[in-house]
Amino acid sequence: GAGVSQSPSNKVTEKGKDVELRCDPISGHTALYWYRQSLGQGLEFLIYFQGNSAPDKSGLPSDRFSAERTGGSVSTLTIQRTQQEDSAVYLCASNSLAGGGTDTQYFGPGTRLTVL
Amino acid sequence: KQEVTQIPAALSVPEGENLVLNCSFTDSAIYNLQWFRQDPGKGLTSLLLIQSSQREQTSGRLNASLDKSSGRSTLYIAASQPGDSATYLCAVSSGTYKYIFGTGTRLKVLA
Repeated sequence: GAGVSQSPSNKVTEKGKDVELRCDPISGHTALYWYRQSLGQGLEFLIYFQGNSAPDKSGLPSDRFSAERTGGSVSTLTIQRTQQEDSAVYLCASNSLAGGGTDTQYFGPGTRLTVL
Repeated sequence: KQEVTQIPAALSVPEGENLVLNCSFTDSAIYNLQWFRQDPGKGLTSLLLIQSSQREQTSGRLNASLDKSSGRSTLYIAASQPGDSATYLCAVSSGTYKYIFGTGTRLKVLA
């Protein structure tokens, strides 16, 4: 079956512009995660969705970052007024976890965001 | 706060060698530990997942061990091949959904 897909694969934007990154999880996966991977850094957890709700947004670095998930499927990560330090690869993952405990997460290929 | 460290940061070996990648974590109260592989421009692929009650897991030429008390895990790759060239990431979870990742070991296997 199809894996996790993300779009766009690459995004170049100017400082101050808003961007939207999309994640399409594996069909039937209830849990969805966003991570950020900056150059030379490990993956940094941003937000976790269970269904359409986000029990944990603790990783979002500032109020310029927001995310939503609709229909228990597609998720959008929005970054407003982008800054150069937002440049990174944004990875999405999903799994069929149903309310607690970790399990293998299936990752998408990521969106490489470059803020000029 | 859980911190995950991976050593070495980069490793280059000739084809056929056996090698060990190291991962250490500061909080031994983990739920599980997972090793991932990341190829350039691609997402992560799970290699091995070790539950906290387990000591090791094996898959083909890969063997991962876990010593919770000392906060260490190793990934052993036997008879390395050029196709094994990638970045290897270690991640630990504390019993919830959240993984804490190390910064990875970039492996290059020379033909």
